[in-house]
Amino acid sequence: GENVEQHPSTLSVQEGDSAVIKCTYSDSASNYFPWYKQELGKRPQLIIDIRSNVGEKKDQRIAVTLNKTAKHFSLHITETQPEDSAVYFCAASIRGGSYIPTFGRGTSLIVHP
Amino acid sequence: TAGITQAPTSQILAAGRSMTLRCTQDMRHNAMYWYRQDLGLGLRLIHYSNTAGTTGKGEVPDGYSVSRANTDDFPLTLASAVPSQTSVYFCASSDVAGSTDTQYFGPGTRLTVL
Repeated sequence: GENVEQHPSTLSVQEGDSAVIKCTYSDSASNYFPWYKQELGKRPQLIIDIRSNVGEKKDQRIAVTLNKTAKHFSLHITETQPEDSAVYFCAASIRGGSYIPTFGRGTSLIVHP
Repeated sequence: TAGITQAPTSQILAAGRSMTLRCTQDMRHNAMYWYRQDLGLGLRLIHYSNTAGTTGKGEVPDGYSVSRANTDDFPLTLASAVPSQTSVYFCASSDVAGSTDTQYFGPGTRLTVL
């Protein structure tokens, strides 16, 4: 089955800096890669996703890149703010199939004011 | 629209007792999922259901059972709870046949088994 590795497990940055979280996956058939943000004590919520037919997607300060050949995808947050502090999860799945996503173990992002 | 709800919010349970965690969605999503979240281990899939009447096992199904009698409800039952089942449980749903297959999560149930 699919295996998703996520790094780093913890990331500490200063406000205004950029943050990058990386994930690798093992199943070349995976074609859907969402990112979820989970604030302390809250539920995970989708912040951005990318499908295998594109290499990059942006939404304001966040962007996701995908390298299908290398089987890795990354989340980029620019101009970080304290409210970006949260745990971020990547996932991989096969859209159009049974759609059972495999999640990475999460990255705790801490943005210091 | 309520979206997806879970009950109870939290529960302390004696080992050996049974319990059912409830999950209800009003988005008419065909797929529903149960995850447990433990520190450092991320979200691990317990059971899932692609449509009413069908269920499947996830990564960590032992000690848990589910049913999907209708589209809206997906209860998770612990037949005889053990301390290792202490965790935060999230239910989720998605519309895998629709234009988006985003997973929507419930607010979670914090379960402590003593």
